[in-house]
Amino acid sequence: GQSLEQPSEVTAVEGAIVQINCTYQTSGFYGLSWYQQHDGGAPTFLSYNGLDGLEETGRFSSFLSRSDSYGYLLLQELQMKDSASYFCAVYGGATNKLIFGTGTLLAVQP
Amino acid sequence: GAVVSQHPSWVICKSGTSVKIECRSLDFQATTMFWYRQFPKQSLMLMATSNEGSKATYEQGVEKDKFLINHASLTLSTLTVTSAHPEDSSFYICSARGAGSNQPQHFGDGTRLSIL
Repeated sequence: GQSLEQPSEVTAVEGAIVQINCTYQTSGFYGLSWYQQHDGGAPTFLSYNGLDGLEETGRFSSFLSRSDSYGYLLLQELQMKDSASYFCAVYGGATNKLIFGTGTLLAVQP
Repeated sequence: GAVVSQHPSWVICKSGTSVKIECRSLDFQATTMFWYRQFPKQSLMLMATSNEGSKATYEQGVEKDKFLINHASLTLSTLTVTSAHPEDSSFYICSARGAGSNQPQHFGDGTRLSIL
């Protein structure tokens, strides 16, 4: 089977840095993605790691360690609009389908 | 960028009604489409995967006779929730991918289904 575990909730203040971790167990692995979802909306793509290391996209960075089956999303200079749910997701399985993690609800406080 | 259009965005209907949700890829050919379901405060759960012209592959625990999926063209897939009941109320999201398993998945805006 496949499972991706994340902390359920994280709270931080504006301007801070927050790290959201993801540990995964999958049959077949083709990369780790991160998605943001605001309440009532569809998930929007943030980043993708196909290889080990750090990928940086503006205020967001994502890290992957395939040997540890672990990754994280790093959000810097937090803004109120960053309050949302964040999901890690793995492309895996026989058909390379996208499977989502348990999700982390980030609350940014003033 | 790739656009996936999903309709309707919101539907309310009586118990026992069948509801059809459409998912269209607007600027690319979607060889594979995926249907997800999300209950409040939970993650997106993959329901089924469909390839154009083939029968859908359903995830374990998803009733194929309850959730009918048709992927008759490279730009359109439909999900029909048959004889819907209140427990089927959820947020349904489609996703489409072009040819090649290394292509990214693009998501529709979702359909919020409420069964009274």
